[in-house]
Amino acid sequence: EADIYQTPRYLVIGTGKKITLECSQTMGHDKMYWYQQDPGMELHLIHYSYGVNSTEKGDLSSESTVSRIRTEHFPLTLESARPSHTSQYLCASRVATEAFFGQGTRLTVV
Amino acid sequence: GNSVTQMEGPVTLSEEAFLTINCTYTATGYPSLFWYVQYPGEGLQLLLKATKADDKGSNKGFEATYRKETTSFHLEKGSVQVSDSAVYFCALSDRMGGATNKLIFGTGTLLAVQP
Repeated sequence: EADIYQTPRYLVIGTGKKITLECSQTMGHDKMYWYQQDPGMELHLIHYSYGVNSTEKGDLSSESTVSRIRTEHFPLTLESARPSHTSQYLCASRVATEAFFGQGTRLTVV
Repeated sequence: GNSVTQMEGPVTLSEEAFLTINCTYTATGYPSLFWYVQYPGEGLQLLLKATKADDKGSNKGFEATYRKETTSFHLEKGSVQVSDSAVYFCALSDRMGGATNKLIFGTGTLLAVQP
């Protein structure tokens, strides 16, 4: 059983608000990832980290930012939410060849 | 660059039918290959994997064989159940020693199994 948690599961928020999506794992994995999943199901890598104080942008440009101050914690922040940010956000951690995913946060910006 | 192409859905089957979801890949070197499953409202779960050519991954009645000659990793199950209804993602991981060791996903295939 994978121990990676995302909160909140669902979030509806107004345009212009600042939001932080939380992702935590208790497995001690160095590699962590954020994916954005569009309604057509496709997954787009938006951020990744190979360890503390390491963050990189992924293949899809995103207005969000991430931080990695502790191994177990990889939060994603949107300074000013817009309707175009409405999507499902999936966090994952990885060891060797296997990745473990959280349950996702479904964000709706109105 | 590396990429994964998988069969478009949705795939609709009757219970106990045979399932095939096609997946082909483009990669340099010798990637590891995976199938992930996403049930409604959930994150992704690893279904099976294969790390070298001719390996067969299997789990819960699903199988896939790593075919280097055809660059394919097709998912099969002999008899699907309603509970198999989900989205299935084919993925690869390159082996560039830690620098760009990313998971690359296909677009996902929605499977709907009817009783």
